[in-house]
Amino acid sequence: NAGVTQTPKFRVLKTGQSMTLLCAQDMNHEYMYWYRQDPGMGLRLIHYSVGEGTTAKGEVPDGYNVSRLKKQNFLLGLESAAPSQTSVYFCASSYSFLWDIQYFGAGTRLSVL
Amino acid sequence: DQQVKQNSPSLSVQEGRISILNCDYTNSMFDYFLWYKKYPAEGPTFLISISSIKDKNEDGRFTVFLNKSAKHLSLHIVPSQPGDSAVYFCAASADSGYALNFGKGTSLLVTP
Repeated sequence: NAGVTQTPKFRVLKTGQSMTLLCAQDMNHEYMYWYRQDPGMGLRLIHYSVGEGTTAKGEVPDGYNVSRLKKQNFLLGLESAAPSQTSVYFCASSYSFLWDIQYFGAGTRLSVL
Repeated sequence: DQQVKQNSPSLSVQEGRISILNCDYTNSMFDYFLWYKKYPAEGPTFLISISSIKDKNEDGRFTVFLNKSAKHLSLHIVPSQPGDSAVYFCAASADSGYALNFGKGTSLLVTP
């Protein structure tokens, strides 16, 4: 029972490089989310999706793009990584919006040098 | 601007005693509150929730209390166990909003 799976678990990038973080869920959830967690901070929402083919901006969307081509996958892209994007990234999914429990992946630890 | 505040970054409690984790919020539109628990190198996992129509919700050793007039909620863990040692996040949402607002978390250490 995989739940929410994030790949990769760790990554080191140089400034200016690009990468894509993959999130996959096997619970048939409609809603998916990308958060970042920084030291001493709570989780902050980057982007979210309310269904296949739809995405929306969250609290801190600058420097990131997302795509939801398939219901089970939610991709987070960094086109030109910056040191300020060094963080732990969490993906989550839920059956419904707001009032439902969000299930989280184990996170991706990203360092941008 | 932080709308959900957990003012205690850490808390240490002896095994068997009560742990009380506090959370304050500023947005009066929030109407649903959740607590998540996070172990190192893992994602947060849902613990317990409460809607604004209630003032208490209980699940085993975990009880959440909501004081709407004070915009305050608390999580009580009784009795505390070493396995409860984790970071606890308070989160809130509003029906008119689009996301969960998380606090910064409180790191709980339960000592034997």
